[in-house]
Amino acid sequence: QKEVEQDPGPLSVPEGAIVSLNCTYSNSAFQYFMWYRQYSRKGPELLMYTYSSGNKEDGRFTAQVDKSSKYISLFIRDSQPSDSATYLCAMTPGFQKLVFGTGTRLLVSP
Amino acid sequence: ETGVTQTPRHLVMGMTNKKSLKCEQHLGHNAMYWYKQSAKKPLELMFVYSLEERVENNSVPSRFSPECPNSSHLFLHLHTLQPEDSALYLCASSQDSGGDGAFFGQGTRLTVV
Repeated sequence: QKEVEQDPGPLSVPEGAIVSLNCTYSNSAFQYFMWYRQYSRKGPELLMYTYSSGNKEDGRFTAQVDKSSKYISLFIRDSQPSDSATYLCAMTPGFQKLVFGTGTRLLVSP
Repeated sequence: ETGVTQTPRHLVMGMTNKKSLKCEQHLGHNAMYWYKQSAKKPLELMFVYSLEERVENNSVPSRFSPECPNSSHLFLHLHTLQPEDSALYLCASSQDSGGDGAFFGQGTRLTVV
């Protein structure tokens, strides 16, 4: 079993839709959770990070962590074509041991 | 570019060549990383340096040799690579705990011929 599972997609949605991206994990030691966005031929860009369970909002983005279910989500409201990218979840128990999902490719059509 | 800068952006090398990848971070972080990104696979952590000391080496073949001369610079020396080593090599940096996330460079696209 992989430590972090993420559906590779692609996920295709029309502009303006609410997007839900998800990851599940197996290691209960993970305490910090992140979402990265990666455009083609670019390095990953840190979008959001959260500690432990709960929600965090930043503009059109909301990150949600449910440690009891070992499940994290990223919601994108009012999606735009410029949101088309690969979204990577990552998590760590701390002390540099980041573990990544494979990434979900998102396509937002005008 | 600011943040984390990697050079070169693209590299084509033969299996008998020796080359080096360079990374520089301007964020005042004290941990630096090398990751390998291959198609349809999660990012693979190769090396971690914290305060210029290597703290993790995830069973990486010896044909990859890292060097961290100071907290702002990181190198990856390459020699006698194989075609399956072709990938995007990403450098990242973070504060020591890693809990705030790592910041990545744009990567070096390596092709081994």
